[in-house]
Amino acid sequence: EAGVAQSPRYKIIEKRQSVAFWCNPISGHATLYWYQQILGQGPKLLIQFQNNGVVDDSQLPKDRFSAERLKGVDSTLKIQPAKLEDSAVYLCASSLPHRGTEAFFGQGTRLTVV
Amino acid sequence: DQQVKQNSPSLSVQEGRISILNCDYTNSMFDYFLWYKKYPAEGPTFLISISSIKDKNEDGRFTVFLNKSAKHLSLHIVPSQPGDSAVYFCAATSLRGFGNEKLTFGTGTRLTIIP
Repeated sequence: EAGVAQSPRYKIIEKRQSVAFWCNPISGHATLYWYQQILGQGPKLLIQFQNNGVVDDSQLPKDRFSAERLKGVDSTLKIQPAKLEDSAVYLCASSLPHRGTEAFFGQGTRLTVV
Repeated sequence: DQQVKQNSPSLSVQEGRISILNCDYTNSMFDYFLWYKKYPAEGPTFLISISSIKDKNEDGRFTVFLNKSAKHLSLHIVPSQPGDSAVYFCAATSLRGFGNEKLTFGTGTRLTIIP
């Protein structure tokens, strides 16, 4: 079974630039999550999708972050414009419906904002 | 507000000995707890979990203990092996969310097993 795929693995951008991350969940997993993990901290949920609908985006900084999951499969997370404090690893995870305790994580995208 | 706390950022243990990782939580709505293991440049992988109706769950070398009155859980690894060297995250959720099991993670403990 293929795992959660994320790209790119690494990205370095200057502040005020834009960046986008892509995630392909495990086949059949209707629930998709984006987490932000800042160095020295645990992963923090940014947004949760059920199919292509948003379940929880309470911790997503909506003035600069956006995410979409067209057709209920792949997802894209965008930051525009980036700030220095956005430097983090962005993790995508997926699970079967209503099985958030059995989520599988991708390898993450390490973003450095300079 | 850190609802899940791992107060030890790092821990070193001799190979073959017991590793004990601790986690405290403040939200009394949490009723399901998980431990994840993370190697460098990889995503977290699920290790073991426990429901609040239990006080112990065992899986091979890994045992998780839950003390609800103290809002404290611990992960025991025995015997510790070099491959156990990783960052361990404690996570908690409420299963009463009707399918919306949002995980709240601790800050992690870096475990180093000394050969």
